[in-house]
Order: sequence, then structure tokens, then C-alpha cells
Amino acid sequence: RKEVEQDPGPFNVPEGATVAFNCTYSNSASQSFFWYRQDCRKEPKLLMSVYSSGNEDGRFTAQLNRASQYISLLIRDSKLSDSATYLCVGVYTGGFKTIFGAGTRLFVKA
Amino acid sequence: EAQVTQNPRYLITVTGKKLTVTCSQNMNHEYMSWYRQDPGLGLRQIYYSMNVEVTDKGDVPEGYKVSRKEKRNFPLILESPSPNQTSLYFCASRGGATMIEQFFGPGTRLTVL
Repeated sequence: RKEVEQDPGPFNVPEGATVAFNCTYSNSASQSFFWYRQDCRKEPKLLMSVYSSGNEDGRFTAQLNRASQYISLLIRDSKLSDSATYLCVGVYTGGFKTIFGAGTRLFVKA
Repeated sequence: EAQVTQNPRYLITVTGKKLTVTCSQNMNHEYMSWYRQDPGLGLRQIYYSMNVEVTDKGDVPEGYKVSRKEKRNFPLILESPSPNQTSLYFCASRGGATMIEQFFGPGTRLTVL
């Protein structure tokens, strides 16, 4: 079993739709979690951190449930420019070892 | 401009021919890391370095070496490349253990024939 698992998708949604991605992790030593965005085999870039209390940044909301070892990302009012691969990332206690999920592909269509 | 650079960006080589992929960052970051990305597997960490002369294995270190003689540079060495090392490689850096964001280089696409 992978340490960080994501639904690979692809998710095909129309502009304006709300879409939710899920991620589960198996190693409770993972301390911190993040969502990264990757465009077409370019370098990943940080989208947002994930906290138990939730984290909202404009149209994006991320949530961590430590009891269920579950992470979510919600995108509201999808834009064409949101089309990308979204990577769920866990960082181990100590801040050095990093585990990436395989990514979820999103296509937003006009 | 703050950035992570990698060279070469593209490389086609043959089995057994030693190669080095360079990585350099100009942000005075303590932490650097190498990843490989393969379809369906996502990014997997090869090696990471917490500071100069301090390195440790990630999830897939076999067949790779690294060194950290200077803070800004973290080269990835393939002593005897094999076809299963054909992949997209990313170098990344971060300010320190408590810093959140990793900054990635543009990637190196390696093909081993």
C-alpha cells in the first residue's frame, strides 16, 4: 500500500463546477501535509498547506482529518486555468522525508 | 531572481556511462532534495540533505549518489545508469525544517538506452 494515496482521476468538470479531491495516508509519523499543483510535467508548486482546523485560500479549501488519516481539497467555481495535476504531500516529523501521492488530474472544460 | 536550476534539462545516455545532474539554488536554503517522477507513481524522494555534508536516503536511493560540499549545490550522480533510471528528475530546496514551501527546479528528463 502506498503511504499517500490519491484517486488518479481524471476529473473532467465544466467551468464553474465544484470539485473535491481526496487523499489518504497510512503513516501516522507524517506530521505536515500540503497540496501542490503540477502543470503538464513542469515542476510542482505549493498550492496550500493543510491543517486540522481547515485552510481556505480564495476558491480553495483544504482539510486534514488526523483520526481518519484523510486529506481533502475543495475547488469552488472551477476555472479553465485550474486544469492541472494536484499532488497530496506528507512530510515526516523532523521535516525532511517527504512523500508525494501520485497525483489527481483535473480537466476543466468551457 | 530566486530559483533552483538544474542541468542538463534533457539527457540521453547509454547504460553504464556515468553521469551527473547538477542542482543549484541561490536562496541560501539549508534543505535540498532529489526526486524522480514516473507515470502512475508520482514523485519519489531519492536523497535529501539537511545541510552541508549531511545527507540521507529517501525512498529510492539505489543506483544514485549525492554530495553536499557547498550549501548551494546538490549534484545527483548515477555511477552506472540503467534503463530503469529513465525518468523525470526534480531537485528541490527549502529554507529549513520548519519552512513550509519546497521550491523545485525545472526538471531533468533522462533517458538511459
